[in-house]
Amino acid sequence: DQQVKQNSPSLSVQEGRISILNCDYTNSMFDYFLWYKKYPAEGPTFLISISSIKDKNEDGRFTVFLNKSAKHLSLHIVPSQPGDSAVYFCAASAREYGNKLVFGAGTILRVKS
Amino acid sequence: KAGVTQTPRYLIKTRGQQVTLSCSPISGHRSVSWYQQTPGQGLQFLFEYFSETQRNKGNFPGRFSGRQFSNSRSEMNVSTLELGDSALYLCASSLAGPENNSPLHFGNGTRLTVT
Repeated sequence: DQQVKQNSPSLSVQEGRISILNCDYTNSMFDYFLWYKKYPAEGPTFLISISSIKDKNEDGRFTVFLNKSAKHLSLHIVPSQPGDSAVYFCAASAREYGNKLVFGAGTILRVKS
Repeated sequence: KAGVTQTPRYLIKTRGQQVTLSCSPISGHRSVSWYQQTPGQGLQFLFEYFSETQRNKGNFPGRFSGRQFSNSRSEMNVSTLELGDSALYLCASSLAGPENNSPLHFGNGTRLTVT
């Protein structure tokens, strides 16, 4: 049972444009959501998070939007840079489950220069 | 501040053997979690430790075990290795316990190959 889904396996964007990565979840108990970036042969790097009491969180070029009614979140990267090319994972957790994160399958982002 | 350190980076073992992986969390972090990453299953939660106590466990067989020491360092052990245990094993630490939202910070993993 995939509780966190990233339906786009890959995304290609031109440098300087906006990258939008999407994530859907099914478990209404989830109350904390995170995005990670992963390069080959490295562990995931934390990017940005959002609590379920908010609908938007911004950190520099990265903004995460949460739509609880639709059980959907998205990560916007503006402007996209070639160094952003990586695999992006969406993850979710619920206080009842401790620090256990449930990950999506990931989306490969390629930023073309 | 040093990040999460995992040793060794690479490991090759034979079926039936056992293996121990080590993780040193970020200084001050008391929660340590372990994940398995495979191409087919993605990132799967193994277990979480907080103050030397296992707080949460994923759906893995009993061959997978772990522990946490008083200095928050953690080890995980896999006994009677199977070919399907070949994976990247990731350790992550967190500043807070489960009662506070706090992101996990991952190490670079141990790549285990079982032949």
